[in-house]
Amino acid sequence: EAGVTQFPSHSVIEKGQTVTLRCDPISGHDNLYWYRRVMGKEIKFLLHFVKESKQDESGMPNNRFLAERTGGTYSTLKVQPAELEDSGVYFCASSQGTGSSYEQYFGPGTRLTVT
Amino acid sequence: AQSVTQLGSHVSVSEGALVLLRCNYSSSVPPYLFWYVQYPNQGLQLLLKYTSAATLVKGINGFEAEFKKSETSFHLTKPSAHMSDAAEYFCAVSSAGRRALTFGSGTRLQVQP
Repeated sequence: EAGVTQFPSHSVIEKGQTVTLRCDPISGHDNLYWYRRVMGKEIKFLLHFVKESKQDESGMPNNRFLAERTGGTYSTLKVQPAELEDSGVYFCASSQGTGSSYEQYFGPGTRLTVT
Repeated sequence: AQSVTQLGSHVSVSEGALVLLRCNYSSSVPPYLFWYVQYPNQGLQLLLKYTSAATLVKGINGFEAEFKKSETSFHLTKPSAHMSDAAEYFCAVSSAGRRALTFGSGTRLQVQP
């Protein structure tokens, strides 16, 4: 079974540009999460999809961030325009829709550098 | 609100020595607690989880953790460290009402030969 995949693994962009990160969850996982780790800080929750609906987007930092999950499969996270403080590692995770385990499986992350 | 505190951003042990990584949590509702490990250039891998069953939880690679409600702690232990245990370890909390994980700041474990 394939794990959570993320693309690209690294991205270097200039301030003011746009970047789109992609996450493919484990097949059949209804729940998809985005997290971010800024250098030297803890991993922070951004948002949670259940299928194609946003269940919780309380962690989204501002309206420069737009997340979508069309058809309840893969998800994209767009940052437009990027600022220096957006640099960090963006993790995606997925979990099954039922059961009480709440276990989230993480992808390898996308390292975003804004210069 | 939930929070996690991991004491010690860096821990160094000798190979074969006991590993103890500390985690204290704060939660107004019954918590679910997790330990994740991140090896270099990899994603987070679940080591073990507590979801209101047995308070002593055994995970992969010989790790275990004990949920102590009175101390609001969920410390991670391993009797004998291996070189391959060198990684960064994260404690996280969630709850039945909110699946989003709240992470601690992480502890980087170094294993000396």
